[in-house]
Amino acid sequence: SQWGEENLQALSIQEGEDVTMNCSYKTYTTVVHWYRQDSGRGPALIILIRSNEREKRSGRLRATLDTSSQSSSLSITAAQCEDTAVYFCATENYNQGKLIFGQGTKLSIKP
Amino acid sequence: DPKIIQKPKYLVAVTGSEKILICEQYLGHNAMYWYRQSAKKPLEFMFSYSYQKLMDNQTASSRFQPQSSKKNHLDLQITALKPDDSATYFCASSQERGQGRHTEVFFGKGTRLTVV
Repeated sequence: SQWGEENLQALSIQEGEDVTMNCSYKTYTTVVHWYRQDSGRGPALIILIRSNEREKRSGRLRATLDTSSQSSSLSITAAQCEDTAVYFCATENYNQGKLIFGQGTKLSIKP
Repeated sequence: DPKIIQKPKYLVAVTGSEKILICEQYLGHNAMYWYRQSAKKPLEFMFSYSYQKLMDNQTASSRFQPQSSKKNHLDLQITALKPDDSATYFCASSQERGQGRHTEVFFGKGTRLTVV
């Protein structure tokens, strides 16, 4: 899981496997953003899930949100080498555009 | 083509000096932000601007001063630089700031600042 004082997590899996990354958050939010960051680039939004949604899918990505436990997850099905990146969850503070990021999960996909 | 341009890409500065990080966005967005990312901390919100007005400042130090000369510009001036300021600074923008809707925040490629 990512958040708080945890160090950047690292996951390494084989191409074709499924993977799930977890995120727990401390402050109230009405949405959880999931970003990916490739080396030398800024973060890019890959999926956004709102508090009235329990699950959101986009291609091989699936995000879940449990507001009662203040946790979210991002799953990637049949991971590919190009999925190698650092993945961040972020909450948004009362729609103010201020994103609060977790520590991130460094995902490596081996061919 | 990059829609958020940050200059320079890399910057080395001497302790105590002053630098300006440049950011221009060509997405037609009304809200712009600065974030910082260092080895010790996750991506950290610094400032938000909406229609060229400062809306939120989460930076404790007054050494960090955003400057917006045009709607699509938000530069970051850093004075009296310290080694702890070493980080990658990301400029970002979104269509609107909040207003009850969640809009995507787009990030630039960042300026990597090293203070020696």
